[in-house]
Amino acid sequence: DAKTTQPPSMDCAEGRAANLPCNHSTISGNEYVYWYRQIHSQGPQYIIHGLKNNETNEMASLIITEDRKSSTLILPHATLRDTAVYYCIVRVGTGTASKLTFGTGTRLQVTL
Amino acid sequence: EAGVVQSPRYKIIEKKQPVAFWCNPISGHNTLYWYLQNLGQGPELLIRYENEEAVDDSQLPKDRFSAERLKGVDSTLKIQPAELGDSAVYLCASSLGSGRAFFGQGTRLTVV
Repeated sequence: DAKTTQPPSMDCAEGRAANLPCNHSTISGNEYVYWYRQIHSQGPQYIIHGLKNNETNEMASLIITEDRKSSTLILPHATLRDTAVYYCIVRVGTGTASKLTFGTGTRLQVTL
Repeated sequence: EAGVVQSPRYKIIEKKQPVAFWCNPISGHNTLYWYLQNLGQGPELLIRYENEEAVDDSQLPKDRFSAERLKGVDSTLKIQPAELGDSAVYLCASSLGSGRAFFGQGTRLTVV
């Protein structure tokens, strides 16, 4: 699976949009971009994933550049409960080779 | 619907003792993962099962770690004998095929 690069930490004011970048310049055509987050003392939680097109769900939006070498996770109105470590992962979509390989993620601190 | 259930939540043992962790995946999920997470790091895959078959155990230290998934449902991960460096959080996750993975709360192991 392709490797990803994320900033180690970011801050965001509550109520503002949090934009978390991820670089995955070696991504292959059949690899998806996944985002998970991990709140302190809990297991990772799925947020969103995409292949080429931008995606939106009730938690966040995922913007993938046209060349697919980078993406941005957007939390439109961050709250204190969004404070967590956010992991960007690229993953082969199907088959026995498919697995989630975590990096060290971005620690997002949402402040008042 | 219950999520992925792990037990125990916490475990403290003396070095050289054996220890076992148990995981009950989400009903119907045929893929099961065990991850190891050291403090300040992202989860690292130990083993992945497709039903009863371990399809990726390349990162499992086989001299002291073992895992089984009898009947393709529940799974146990065992360490024998435990070493001080095994202190970490052990996470179990499950998915339907290579779909989004759901994680349990993890077992925090402390070896003293």
